[in-house]
Amino acid sequence: GAGVSQSPSNKVTEKGKDVELRCDPISGHTALYWYRQSLGQGLEFLIYFQGNSAPDKSGLPSDRFSAERTGGSVSTLTIQRTQQEDSAVYLCASSSPGQGARETQYFGPGTRLLVL
Amino acid sequence: GQNIDQPTEMTATEGAIVQINCTYQTSGFNGLFWYQQHAGEAPTFLSYNVLDGLEEKGRFSSFLSRSKGYSYLLLKELQMKDSASYLCAVRLLTGANNLFFGTGTRLTVIP
Repeated sequence: GAGVSQSPSNKVTEKGKDVELRCDPISGHTALYWYRQSLGQGLEFLIYFQGNSAPDKSGLPSDRFSAERTGGSVSTLTIQRTQQEDSAVYLCASSSPGQGARETQYFGPGTRLLVL
Repeated sequence: GQNIDQPTEMTATEGAIVQINCTYQTSGFNGLFWYQQHAGEAPTFLSYNVLDGLEEKGRFSSFLSRSKGYSYLLLKELQMKDSASYLCAVRLLTGANNLFFGTGTRLTVIP
């Protein structure tokens, strides 16, 4: 079936503007993750959704970042009042829990965000 | 805190064998993953280890020693298409079940 998709693939914005990034997980995957990959850095965990449970927001770097997941499927990551340090690739991953520690996350192609 | 160390870059010759090492110090451990990431593309799953020992899958093998906090990814019969970044990631014992990633090793395969 189709993999994880993300849109837009690239986004250029001006400092101070708000941006929305979208993720469509693999059908049937109840777990969804957002990560950020900055140049020369490892992937940084941002937020986790599992089913109808409250999201784990422990990785969000500031209150300018928020995410929601509607209907247990599509997720939107919103960055308000963007700053230049927000420039990075934002990756979404989904997984199907119930496999214990072997649960594998499948990644989308990412959204490359550039804040000017 | 969490820490994962991998070499930043490696170069190897087509047809050869290369070993990419990963050491980790994490506050919890629930398995270690290796992902491959070609430039501009999504990371793709390669292997998973939770018990000590070697897991072999075709040309790729992954080894884990939990007592040493050490893993390696072994690539045999290197092909040009193996040029990519290889990401080592540890699954943490958190409610989020999230992965903690190293910065990755960029492998260049030369003719």
